[in-house]
Amino acid sequence: KNEVEQSPQNLTAQEGEFITINCSYSVGISALHWLQQHPGGGIVSLFMLSSGKKKHGRLIATINIQEKHSSLHITASHPRDSAVYICAVRSGNQFYFGTGTSLTVIP
Amino acid sequence: DGGITQSPKYLFRKEGQNVTLSCEQNLNHDAMYWYRQDPGQGLRLIYYSQIVNDFQKGDIAEGYSVSREKKESFPLTVTSAQKNPTAFYLCASSQGGLAKNIQYFGAGTRLSVL
Repeated sequence: KNEVEQSPQNLTAQEGEFITINCSYSVGISALHWLQQHPGGGIVSLFMLSSGKKKHGRLIATINIQEKHSSLHITASHPRDSAVYICAVRSGNQFYFGTGTSLTVIP
Repeated sequence: DGGITQSPKYLFRKEGQNVTLSCEQNLNHDAMYWYRQDPGQGLRLIYYSQIVNDFQKGDIAEGYSVSREKKESFPLTVTSAQKNPTAFYLCASSQGGLAKNIQYFGAGTRLSVL
């Protein structure tokens, strides 16, 4: 069993839709990261969370430490949001990554 | 512009050959990392370095070696002992310790075996 599970694995949405990607983890963590990987492979860090909620533009990330769950929301989705979104957690000296959610936003 | 530069973008390795992937950063970050990404799997940590002249093995260090002689540079050598080297390799850096700060990633190197 993976320490980090993401859902869904694949997601297709119409432009303008509200999108939610979920991440559950089974270990105690000091921080959770949301990453965005573009089709060419480059990765951008979107958020680092240890509690509560963060917002950046149309992106919102939340974390519930008690439930060991985090969500990434995209409001008013756009085709340029199409990418793979990866959840990663740090537990002690270990770093665990989810397998990613592939998002396609259709115009 | 500040950032992380990985080179080359594509690399091919022959049987029994060692190859070196370059990673340079001008962000003045203390910590640097190498990850391997395989289809259908999450990123896996190969090696990390939290300070010059020091580095630690990650989860899958066998068949790889690194050096950290300069703060800006963290090259990864894929040795002939790595029997399945075909993967996408990502380098990252952060200010401060492992996962205490946001990591900045390079564009990656795709390694294939001839």
